[in-house]
Amino acid sequence: GQQLNQSPQSMFIQEGEDVSMNCTSSSIFNTWLWYKQDPGEGPVLLIALYKAGELTSNGRLTAQFGTTRKDSFLNISASIPSDVGIYFCAGQLRQGAQKLVFGQGTRLTINP
Amino acid sequence: GAVVSQHPSWVICKSGTSVKIECRSLDFQATTMFWYRQFPKQSLMLMATSNEGSKATYEQGVEKDKFLINHASLTLSTLTVTSAHPEDSSFYICSVLLRDTIYFGEGSWLTVV
Repeated sequence: GQQLNQSPQSMFIQEGEDVSMNCTSSSIFNTWLWYKQDPGEGPVLLIALYKAGELTSNGRLTAQFGTTRKDSFLNISASIPSDVGIYFCAGQLRQGAQKLVFGQGTRLTINP
Repeated sequence: GAVVSQHPSWVICKSGTSVKIECRSLDFQATTMFWYRQFPKQSLMLMATSNEGSKATYEQGVEKDKFLINHASLTLSTLTVTSAHPEDSSFYICSVLLRDTIYFGEGSWLTVV
């Protein structure tokens, strides 16, 4: 099925470093979502983006909806140990659409 | 606060038995819920769309007789894994749509021995 291309697949960084990950698609999406999943738990919504070009922050997290509607990035500044987990991008073909298309996930590991 | 809740968080069952997983929307009515399956180190795979009062819609390749979905009320959908086998062991997650945003349950670990 349709899938978003998310990169990188994994990251190993030092505590305090900034992190950047992105998702691209050949299709246009009207909504981009970023989730974080901790081991053994369901994904938790971090940021939702509804407009092309939109830049939204949530604490140390910043995400942008690409102007072409085919990509999005997520940045984490000054990483801390609790940022460890798997980050997924997800797209909705239209706002309020109930089906999500997921990226493959970015596994973030932080060395203290 | 939480929007959706799953139960149980984890379950172990014997091969050949059936196991039921519940997904509840909290403080709102959800006419549609979604069931996902996730293998270790992989992304979420949509299994089916659960529709209140009607049959579920299954994704291609998902056996509807194997994974029975019942959405009998506006706040509860259940996924029953019938005649479970070890290869059915996985992490199962439900989701709901609330105000244009999709929220996920905590997930349920199923181990078939």
